[in-house]
Amino acid sequence: AQKITQTQPGMFVQEKEAVTLDCTYDTSDPSYGLFWYKQPSSGEMIFLIYQGSYDQQNATEGRYSLNFQKARKSANLVISASQLGDSAMYFCAMRGRSGGSYIPTFGRGTSLIVHP
Amino acid sequence: DGGITQSPKYLFRKEGQNVTLSCEQNLNHDAMYWYRQDPGQGLRLIYYSQIVNDFQKGDIAEGYSVSREKKESFPLTVTSAQKNPTAFYLCASILAGGPGTGELFFGEGSRLTVL
Repeated sequence: AQKITQTQPGMFVQEKEAVTLDCTYDTSDPSYGLFWYKQPSSGEMIFLIYQGSYDQQNATEGRYSLNFQKARKSANLVISASQLGDSAMYFCAMRGRSGGSYIPTFGRGTSLIVHP
Repeated sequence: DGGITQSPKYLFRKEGQNVTLSCEQNLNHDAMYWYRQDPGQGLRLIYYSQIVNDFQKGDIAEGYSVSREKKESFPLTVTSAQKNPTAFYLCASILAGGPGTGELFFGEGSRLTVL
């Protein structure tokens, strides 16, 4: 069975500073994809970044980067130069094989608050 | 523009009533999913479907039912057997196949409250 663990229920960061949101995963399948989503208070799920298990380089998308450490099974999200609008819930997810199908599994999320 | 449409956005239900949440996508995606979100619980999988006329139970299927008669549509019925249905429900879709088929697209969600 696959599992995603986000150990930080809440994080605080000062505006313009960088912050790292932790995510570890567990799967026995060598082929999988890792995602991060942002959920503001409105409830919509906003896709941020994707990392494939065979990708050699860490994924980056603007101010977002994914620190992928395959041996440690971690996929931490780094947000550089935090903005007030970054305050939201952040979910780490993995899409790996489960019983013959590729099922997306989500962590419990981390609530990020950016202070002015 | 392509996307996923969920309706209604807000729904109130009396105890003992069944309600159906709609999910329609025009992305030509094969796989569709229903998740339930409670505070502090993250997203939990209710049901999923990889192709038309086929669907599978997720982790918390009890008290829910689905159908997949068309590729574009994957409605979720919350039955009276669901003991605690008050929650935020999210529908999602993705191209079928391996993990490298792109991002999971979400609808805007439906918030169900049992009175």
